[in-house]
Amino acid sequence: DSGVTQTPKHLITATGQRVTLRCSPRSGDLSVYWYQQSLDQGLQFLIQYYNGEERAKGNILERFSAQQFPDLHSELNLSSLELGDSALYFCASTLAGTYQETQYFGPGTRLLVL
Amino acid sequence: AQSVTQPDIHITVSEGASLELRCNYSYGATPYLFWYVQSPGQGLQLLLKYFSGDTLVQGIKGFEAEFKRSQSSFNLRKPSVHWSDAAEYFCAVGAAGGGADGLTFGKGTHLIIQP
Repeated sequence: DSGVTQTPKHLITATGQRVTLRCSPRSGDLSVYWYQQSLDQGLQFLIQYYNGEERAKGNILERFSAQQFPDLHSELNLSSLELGDSALYFCASTLAGTYQETQYFGPGTRLLVL
Repeated sequence: AQSVTQPDIHITVSEGASLELRCNYSYGATPYLFWYVQSPGQGLQLLLKYFSGDTLVQGIKGFEAEFKRSQSSFNLRKPSVHWSDAAEYFCAVGAAGGGADGLTFGKGTHLIIQP
């Protein structure tokens, strides 16, 4: 158990819909990373937050957005969903948000868009 | 931009045999290198990481990896695999000093253990 929690575990929705994925980092960690894992693209970095502020942005679509709240949990919002958004979405956390640190990954949210 | 190549999509090894998983990276400066393992239905777990110093790094579960700058490689090894090592293995590179790219992962190598 990494100490990172993600909800829900599974999500099934329809094209055009909007969903919110939630991540709670390990106790004491200030930084949260979001990744998307799909069969064709592999594991891709989406976005990073540190103490409520966006720190780094990867291959995140404009239809996707994220935020980190004062209690340090983070939410990833996916809108106007397409079939290709079906994937496993992971969050990871670290204390200081540097890449030298071990990123602790949550169990993921599996999203299926029908 | 940095990139990672894991040339082997699948590898099958007999239990008790040695293992080497290949990883090649592309990055202009000294990279931060990582190996993660993902068991079915699980998140990723760090096996080991390299930043500087000794080019042979030891990790958890009996794994080690060697950084070879001249070959831009960071291959993962284990002298004797166990059935519980069956999983997906990912090599990743991070930008030294941070940067806007996050961790870049390879496509993964699926390890199958034969009894």
